[in-house]
Amino acid sequence: GDSVTQTEGLVTVTEGLPVKLNCTYQTTYLTIAFFWYVQYLNEAPQVLLRSSTDNKRTEHQGFHATLHKSSSSFHLQKSSAQLSDSALYYCALKAGGADRLTFGKGTQLIIQP
Amino acid sequence: SVLLYQKPNRDICQSGTSLKIQCVADSQVVSMFWYQQFQEQSLMLMATANEGSEATYESGFTKDKFPISRPNLTFSTLTVNNARPGDSSIYFCSSRQGGANTEVFFGKGTRLTVV
Repeated sequence: GDSVTQTEGLVTVTEGLPVKLNCTYQTTYLTIAFFWYVQYLNEAPQVLLRSSTDNKRTEHQGFHATLHKSSSSFHLQKSSAQLSDSALYYCALKAGGADRLTFGKGTQLIIQP
Repeated sequence: SVLLYQKPNRDICQSGTSLKIQCVADSQVVSMFWYQQFQEQSLMLMATANEGSEATYESGFTKDKFPISRPNLTFSTLTVNNARPGDSSIYFCSSRQGGANTEVFFGKGTRLTVV
């Protein structure tokens, strides 16, 4: 079956420094869509980024990610972290024609002053 | 986008009882999904519910334990039968509007505590 791996459970970054959250996946499907979701405390997950195009950079709210099918990765990056970025981040895979999303285990991002 | 309203926001129930969670969409949607999230863990898809047909359950979830109704294109309910402390988690309804690769939107979740 499909799987999504987020290697870091917790990432702590000082405000103003760059952020990178890793995400890799495994699937046998060629047609895929990838999402980054952000979940603030006591809130619902909401989409931050999405992509289904290989090697195309996607940006939103200062974050960016590029789907690399050659390395099965969709890492999330930001050049300068803000305190308000502190949240739980999930990457999620939608493979083939299935409706289901396969989520990674999530990475808790803490931005410290 | 799709707005999804869940109620209750949270509930506490006794072991052995049943709890019903409602989800209302602000527009008609084809599929609704129910996810379970244990504290500090990822979201797990429980089932997919389409109007007028039985829900499709993922491995580890059954209709006897988690019956789902989908009477129309804007509404779904998830019932937790014979609740146990191990069912204590957050339950999210979700849906998408548009094609297969459009994003999935989530309700704010129902935090269930079984005592």
